[in-house]
Amino acid sequence: DAKTTQPTSMDCAEGRAANLPCNHSTISGNEYVYWYRQIHSQGPQYIIHGLKNNETNEMASLIITEDRKSSTLILPHATLRDTAVYYCIVRGNTDKLIFGTGTRLQVFP
Amino acid sequence: DSGVTQTPKHLITATGQRVTLRCSPRSGDLSVYWYQQSLDQGLQFLIQYYNGEERAKGNILERFSAQQFPDLHSELNLSSLELGDSALYFCASSVASGMQETQYFGPGTRLLVL
Repeated sequence: DAKTTQPTSMDCAEGRAANLPCNHSTISGNEYVYWYRQIHSQGPQYIIHGLKNNETNEMASLIITEDRKSSTLILPHATLRDTAVYYCIVRGNTDKLIFGTGTRLQVFP
Repeated sequence: DSGVTQTPKHLITATGQRVTLRCSPRSGDLSVYWYQQSLDQGLQFLIQYYNGEERAKGNILERFSAQQFPDLHSELNLSSLELGDSALYFCASSVASGMQETQYFGPGTRLLVL
């Protein structure tokens, strides 16, 4: 599975969009990009995933560049409850999820 | 609420002891995964079961074992416990097996070994 690189931490004002970047320059053609988040010590929560096209659901949007070497998770209107560690995971021919260190997003009032 | 349940929520035990963690997957999910999260190692995959059979193994110690029962619930057995086994243990489940299958995580069991 391809390695991912994420900023260690980010801040975002409540009500503004949070844009979390992820680099995965060694991604292969059949590998998916998954995003999870972990609020405090709760179980990781699935957010969204995609292969090539941009995806949107009720939680977030996922923008994948055309060369697929990077992606951005967008939380359109961040709230205090979105404060968490966000993990970008590239998943290939394996069932397991390989978690890196993620991005600690702090949403402030 | 992901639909995955884990018991107990907290467990405190002593070194050398044995404990069993239990996981009930979401209704209809055939695949169960176990992950360990410790302060120094982060979230690490331990083992996966699919419909009762072991499917994949990660960094699981020989002192640890797991199984999935006919009703699809799973148990993770940790024996000869050491201080370093103190961690959060998460179970996840998915409908089937494969990279397109989204895994949904339970709330975890916090194990403290004294």
